[in-house]
Order: sequence, then structure tokens, then C-alpha cells
Amino acid sequence: AQRVTQPEKLLSVFKGAPVELKCNYSYSGSPELFWYVQYSRQRLQLLLRHISRESIKGFTADLNKGETSFHLKKPFAQEEDSAMYYCALEGGSEKLVFGKGTKLTVNP
Amino acid sequence: DVKVTQSSRYLVKRTGEKVFLECVQDMDHENMFWYRQDPGLGLRLIYFSYDVKMKEKGDIPEGYSVSREKKERFSLILESASTNQTSMYLCASSVSEGGRYEQYFGPGTRLTVT
Repeated sequence: AQRVTQPEKLLSVFKGAPVELKCNYSYSGSPELFWYVQYSRQRLQLLLRHISRESIKGFTADLNKGETSFHLKKPFAQEEDSAMYYCALEGGSEKLVFGKGTKLTVNP
Repeated sequence: DVKVTQSSRYLVKRTGEKVFLECVQDMDHENMFWYRQDPGLGLRLIYFSYDVKMKEKGDIPEGYSVSREKKERFSLILESASTNQTSMYLCASSVSEGGRYEQYFGPGTRLTVT
């Protein structure tokens, strides 16, 4: 079965502090992993995907197949990073399996 | 730029009413999706359509049906709305090109059933 777990419902950090949003997955094959973000009053949008290995808005995420994790990291959080973040997995079915989301609040 | 639009941002309906939520995408995508988004529960897939007139149940199809008569339009139908269907409903379409998969989301419809 395909499953995505985000252990933190809420995460609060201060501006300038490092932030890490955790994501673990369960899938027997080689999945494609994503982070989606939803800012207040905006639509859900793709933040980054693991195959691109790129940094978007200062965020990076590395796929660790041994630990089946895809944690999202940013060294210095900004207030505008406050949003709902969802980790998602695509396992060859052309559908996404989403985690339950982590609400990140960056305090001034 | 991919556009996924939903017919209403906010909708208030009474228990027992038949409710139609409409979604349109303009990028000729094969696949379209309906999710509901609830705090603490994340996004849960209601129905998925991979072609015109083709549909597949998602994780929580009970109480819902869908219609896809044209490629660009995917409708979610609540045959008899109930209060436990009060939620945010998100429509999406997807594409897979050159090994890169992405889903594009609409702005959502917040449905309240009283």
C-alpha cells in the first residue's frame, strides 16, 4: 500500500531559524515524491519534486530511500513561508497520495 | 499557464439538496480529480477520471458521483447533501510529460451544508 506520513500537524519557528518538515512514505517501488504548498487564500501548488533536485524559494528536499523519507528543509525561515505543506507520492498510478499536511507558522 | 477553474468559491446548500460542483481545465489534460480537504485529514481523493466518460472511485466515493462528458469538464455531484459533506472541495488535472508528473489545482469550493 502507498502511504505518506507527515508526523507534525503544526510547526512553529521564528524568522531566521532553520525549518524541517518531515515526510515519510511507504511504497515498495521507486516513487516520485513531491512537496505541495498552499498559502493563505491561494490554491495548492507544486513547490518541488525530488527528481528535479532543485531549490525553490530556498527550500530543498532529498529523497532518502533507506529511511523512506523526503524531508523539506530551509536554512533560514521567512514569514512568507507560513503556509500549509503537503508531501505527496506518485507510484505509477498517475494519482497522488497525500500526507495529512503540516501547517508551518513563521513568527517575527 | 495551466488554468483549472471551479464554478463557485463558496456554496451554501440545505440538507437533502442535489449539489453540482463544476471544474474546467484548459490544457487538454487526460486526467482529472476531485478531492475534499479537511483540517487534520489532508486531501482525500473522491473520484478520478482518466478520459471522457471514464471514472474510478477514490478513497471516499460514498455519497458522491461524477460526470465527465467533455475532456475539459469534470463535475462532482452530491445526490443528497448531508452536513458531513461540509468541506473544501478541490479539483485538479494532471499531466505526465518527459517523465515529469504534475497535478494542477483549482482554487477550491467551500461547501457548507446546513
